[in-house]
Amino acid sequence: GAVVSQHPSWVICKSGTSVKIECRSLDFQATTMFWYRQFPKQSLMLMATSNEGSKATYEQGVEKDKFLINHASLTLSTLTVTSAHPEDSSFYICSARRTEDNSPLHFGNGTRLTVT
Amino acid sequence: AQRVTQPEKLLSVFKGAPVELKCNYSYSGSPELFWYVQYSRQRLQLLLRHISRESIKGFTADLNKGETSFHLKKPFAQEEDSAMYYCALGNSGNTPLVFGKGTRLSVIA
Repeated sequence: GAVVSQHPSWVICKSGTSVKIECRSLDFQATTMFWYRQFPKQSLMLMATSNEGSKATYEQGVEKDKFLINHASLTLSTLTVTSAHPEDSSFYICSARRTEDNSPLHFGNGTRLTVT
Repeated sequence: AQRVTQPEKLLSVFKGAPVELKCNYSYSGSPELFWYVQYSRQRLQLLLRHISRESIKGFTADLNKGETSFHLKKPFAQEEDSAMYYCALGNSGNTPLVFGKGTRLSVIA
């Protein structure tokens, strides 16, 4: 079945530094990937839609300069949290859908970011 | 606007009892409805989608367009069903899913 790999699984960084999270579709191509954020005991909130070869589409209230998204190939999207602050600590989850058919969304394992 | 409502944050049932996790949606077009499950320390996994009309792990869900509902049901709960369950709404193509707030199911032995 379709597999989405997310790396790293967890990361701790100091305030002011930047962190890059990778999302790969391992056995299928995805022109579109989605980045979600999940706070403890809350639901997933869509942050942005990552489009291969073009700019990402951000949801209202999500700072595009803070959460940089790059979708350089059909199997890789990256989310960079720039100048991280403690309030950015959260669980970030990527998801992707096989381009060529109407398959459901598949999710990565998520990345737990802790900013100290 | 698309919206998914899961009215129960927590649902506790005894092992062997029937389970119904409620989900209502708001969508003007032709919706696709999904149930995702998240076991402790694991990724979100697709449990059901309405177009497939399957039964997975004993769970079923029927889309009721009149009531705009997609409730998840299982006749006899098992301890291993304890998890977070998310109802999600989308449509075909490269559009994201909108998730409900989730219901934590706790099955008590």
